[in-house]
Amino acid sequence: DGGITQSPKYLFRKEGQNVTLSCEQNLNHDAMYWYRQDPGQGLRLIYYSQIVNDFQKGDIAEGYSVSREKKESFPLTVTSAQKNPTAFYLCASSIDSRDEKLFFGSGTQLSVL
Amino acid sequence: AQTVTQSQPEMSVQEAETVTLSCTYDTSESDYYLFWYKQPPSRQMILVIRQEAYKQQNATENRFSVNFQKAAKSFSLKISDSQLGDAAMYFCAYRSPFISSGSARQLTFGSGTQLTVLP
Repeated sequence: DGGITQSPKYLFRKEGQNVTLSCEQNLNHDAMYWYRQDPGQGLRLIYYSQIVNDFQKGDIAEGYSVSREKKESFPLTVTSAQKNPTAFYLCASSIDSRDEKLFFGSGTQLSVL
Repeated sequence: AQTVTQSQPEMSVQEAETVTLSCTYDTSESDYYLFWYKQPPSRQMILVIRQEAYKQQNATENRFSVNFQKAAKSFSLKISDSQLGDAAMYFCAYRSPFISSGSARQLTFGSGTQLTVLP
């Protein structure tokens, strides 16, 4: 079955540590996105990528980094510069950046120890 | 910048009854897309329904329909014959139809409405 796989489901970060959240899709989609969700709030865009080897900052990119070396993969690194990383992170994809329908993964809950 | 407002943090409905969730938005664009997403306890975002602003006819998907009032910038979701499986957080979202220079063509979300379905 085609879809988006995010791993791990739960992740814990120690102070000063970088952690990487995985996002893999087998939908052959060009565009991929990372969103952050805080309690009682909607989703906010961290980074997006329209094609391989290209990515752009969203509204809240500070303290995060991404790469897009393969079409299927769009990992998100939460760096030590992100002072409030505890949140639910959702990865999404669409056929391309013009397509309206986003497909979402099941998310990763990141917490700080 | 676009903003999306959901003024009802929580709503409840009796099973088999009808409920309407409210959403208003602010934009200076004339063409855009509006969405309702459902987030059940599994936390995966599921697209419920979408509306293209240039279409006057309200979108419908089975028991879900919208009341789109472009002049009032209002986009409410009506759920008919509510079922226990409809219990979830519902998000209204806005998306521009094109990529503005220097900005992402992103979805702008409201803060959500938690819907409880009472048996």
